[in-house]
Amino acid sequence: DQQVKQNSPSLSVQEGRISILNCDYTNSMFDYFLWYKKYPAEGPTFLISISSIKDKNEDGRFTVFLNKSAKHLSLHIVPSQPGDSAVYFCAASASADKLIFGTGTRLQVFP
Amino acid sequence: DTAVSQTPKYLVTQMGNDKSIKCEQNLGHDTMYWYKQDSKKFLKIMFSYNNKELIINETVPNRFSPKSPDKAHLNLHINSLELGDSAVYFCASSQDWGGGGRSYEQYFGPGTRLTVT
Repeated sequence: DQQVKQNSPSLSVQEGRISILNCDYTNSMFDYFLWYKKYPAEGPTFLISISSIKDKNEDGRFTVFLNKSAKHLSLHIVPSQPGDSAVYFCAASASADKLIFGTGTRLQVFP
Repeated sequence: DTAVSQTPKYLVTQMGNDKSIKCEQNLGHDTMYWYKQDSKKFLKIMFSYNNKELIINETVPNRFSPKSPDKAHLNLHINSLELGDSAVYFCASSQDWGGGGRSYEQYFGPGTRLTVT
């Protein structure tokens, strides 16, 4: 049972435009959500997070939106840059329990 | 400075062998983890240690045995390797456990690609 889903395996965006990566979850007990970025042959690196008491968190070009009623979160990257090309993983946790990861979305930003 | 390091980076071995993967973190974190990323790219937790104490043990065959000699190290030993063990194994660490907020932010090693033939 996959509790965290990223239904788009890949996304291609032109440099300078907005990238929107989506994530859906099924467990209503999740109270903390994170996005990780992964380059080939490297481990995932933490990007941004959001607590369930908020609906938006912004850090520079990266903004995460949380819609609890829809059990949906999204990561917006604007403007997108070629260096943003990577696999993005959504992760969730319930009350300090383990992180549950999605299967990732490969983002490609082209010039 | 490498924050979380793993050795080896690649490991090719035959079925039935026993192998170990080592992990070290120099971040001063209290909690360390082992994850397995399978062929479908699904990243799933296997074990977690907090201050050398096992706190998460997912449904993992007992051929897998983690060992934490100190807070900075968490090694993974695998006995009687099987074809299905082929995967990328990631070590990670976090500041603490259950403290909310930053305790969720995990720092990952570069991964060890294990191939069992």
